[in-house]
Amino acid sequence: SQQGEEDPQALSIQEGENATMNCSYKTSINNLQWYRQNSGRGLVHLILIRSNEREKHSGRLRVTLDTSKKSSSLLITASRAADTASYFCATDANTGNQFYFGTGTSLTVIP
Amino acid sequence: SQTIHQWPATLVQPVGSPLSLECTVEGTSNPNLYWYRQAAGRGLQLLFYSVGIGQISSEVPQNLSASRPQDRQFILSSKKLLLSDSGFYLCAWSEGVYTEAFFGQGTRLTVV
Repeated sequence: SQQGEEDPQALSIQEGENATMNCSYKTSINNLQWYRQNSGRGLVHLILIRSNEREKHSGRLRVTLDTSKKSSSLLITASRAADTASYFCATDANTGNQFYFGTGTSLTVIP
Repeated sequence: SQTIHQWPATLVQPVGSPLSLECTVEGTSNPNLYWYRQAAGRGLQLLFYSVGIGQISSEVPQNLSASRPQDRQFILSSKKLLLSDSGFYLCAWSEGVYTEAFFGQGTRLTVV
């Protein structure tokens, strides 16, 4: 079964605005990852945050992790039309070798 | 550098027909391999994963099976497809859960 759940399911913003999406998960983890999927394509890794980290940055991306609340957020600053895609969080569930993905947030950036 | 190949990109199969989707990885040894299915507009459901040749773990009981005949080859199969098997199938590899996963471009399967 899926481990995570993203919120909101869909998000539409104007170019230049910031986009924030959230992920909640159910069990303890070693790390949490965020991926991006363009329509009909494979997923591309964006950023990984370990369970002992609280915040991580990569370019225009900022990820936070709150293990006490079992939640993470992905912030995309100064959004561009090219950021239009679906974004998924993935966790390892602290057991085995599996990656479990959330339900995804569909982001539309309007030029 | 590592690459992952997944084929075919699209497939239309009649109900009751067999299925074989293949995924190969280059440039790495003993990767963890994964098969996911994505229903339209939905998240990814983990179907199978493998940590070594001949080692397959199934996440969801279903009409599908997986095999790993070689270190960098992962095959998803079915003897008789159902309409509910339609979806977008993604293969992925990783060196472990502490690192990122790399995905193939996916196979869109339509069972008619």
